[in-house]
This record gives sequence, structure tokens and C-alpha cells, in this order.
Amino acid sequence: DSGVTQTPKHLITATGQRVTLRCSPRSGDLSVYWYQQSLDQGLQFLIQYYNGEERAKGNILERFSAQQFPDLHSELNLSSLELGDSALYFCASSAQVTGNTIYFGEGSWLTVV
Amino acid sequence: DQQVKQNSPSLSVQEGRISILNCDYTNSMFDYFLWYKKYPAEGPTFLISISSIKDKNEDGRFTVFLNKSAKHLSLHIVPSQPGDSAVYFCAASKRAYGGSQGNLIFGKGTKLSVKP
Repeated sequence: DSGVTQTPKHLITATGQRVTLRCSPRSGDLSVYWYQQSLDQGLQFLIQYYNGEERAKGNILERFSAQQFPDLHSELNLSSLELGDSALYFCASSAQVTGNTIYFGEGSWLTVV
Repeated sequence: DQQVKQNSPSLSVQEGRISILNCDYTNSMFDYFLWYKKYPAEGPTFLISISSIKDKNEDGRFTVFLNKSAKHLSLHIVPSQPGDSAVYFCAASKRAYGGSQGNLIFGKGTKLSVKP
């Protein structure tokens, strides 16, 4: 158990819909990262927040957004969903911006039908 | 364009033998490299890392070698055990250039099967 909690574990939704994935980082970790793992693309970095502020941005679509709240939990919002958004979404956390190790949650499986 | 490549999707070895997983990268600004292991239905877990100022880092049965001139790194597992069967991801980051350790560029992974 990494200490990073993600909900929901599985989610099935229709195209055009909007979903929110939630992440609670390890206790004391200030950085939260979101990754997308699809079958043909491997793990893709989406975005990082540090202590409530956006820190780095990767290959995140404009239809996607994230935020980190004062209690340090984070949410990833996916809107206008397309079939190609079906993937495993991982949250990870680390103590600092350049922490030596990041810890991944178990992921949220999103299926868009 | 893939900056981190793991060209072998799968590898099968016999228990007790050496497993060698390979990774190539294209961006010379990468200065920190990591290996993660992933079991089904779990998130990736950190295994071992190496900074670009080193060419070798060892942790028990796991050793990572870095060849900067070739832009190549490898993970050696000796001896391999059935419990090592998992998907192994190579990752890289640009820490010295302001990159966060978490802003990792991952390869697509290599599925290792260790047969008893």
C-alpha cells in the first residue's frame, strides 16, 4: 500500500459526459501528479500540483483540468469524454517538488462507451 | 516522438538466471533515470534510480547501468525470482533543468516473466 488513495477504482460512462477522479496523497506529501496509461501510449504525464499551485504540465488535453485543494487532495476533471479517453488514470505524490521518489496510487479505470 | 523507448515488450527468463531489461532515450537533457515495477491491478512502484553523474547503481539483486554516450540504460536482476514477474517501466526526468522528479517520461514497459 503506497498510501496514495484514488477513487473511484472503476468508472464507466458515455461519450460526451464529464467525470471527476479523486486522489488523496500520502500523508504529508505536498506534490500530486496525474498520469494516464492507455494501451498504446504507456504512462503519460498529465499535470503536477505542488501545495495547491500548478507546477508542471504535460500532455494534458484542454478538455481535462485538475486542481489541488487546501487539504492537498486533488481532482482530475475530464469533460466531453471521447472513446479514446478510456484509460487507467494514476495519481502519484511526493513530499516535495523534486522529491527522490514518487508514490503511485492503484489507479482509476475509466471506460468510455 | 518517443523520448524513452523500451524496445522489448516482453522478456522470459528462468528462475535463478539473470534478467536484463533495456531502455534507450533520445533527449540528452535527461539527467535522472528510474525503474518502476508494476503488478496487475496495482500502481507502479519505485525500484531503483540513477543520476547521470553515475554509471552504476546497485540495490540488492537490482543493478542499473547507465551509458550516457549511447543514451542507454539497463536493469539487471540477479538472480531472477518468480515474484519479479511484472511490467518494468523505465523513466527519465530533467531535474537539473528545473524538471520535477515527478514529471517523468516513461517508456511503454517490458513485461518480465520469470519461470520456476
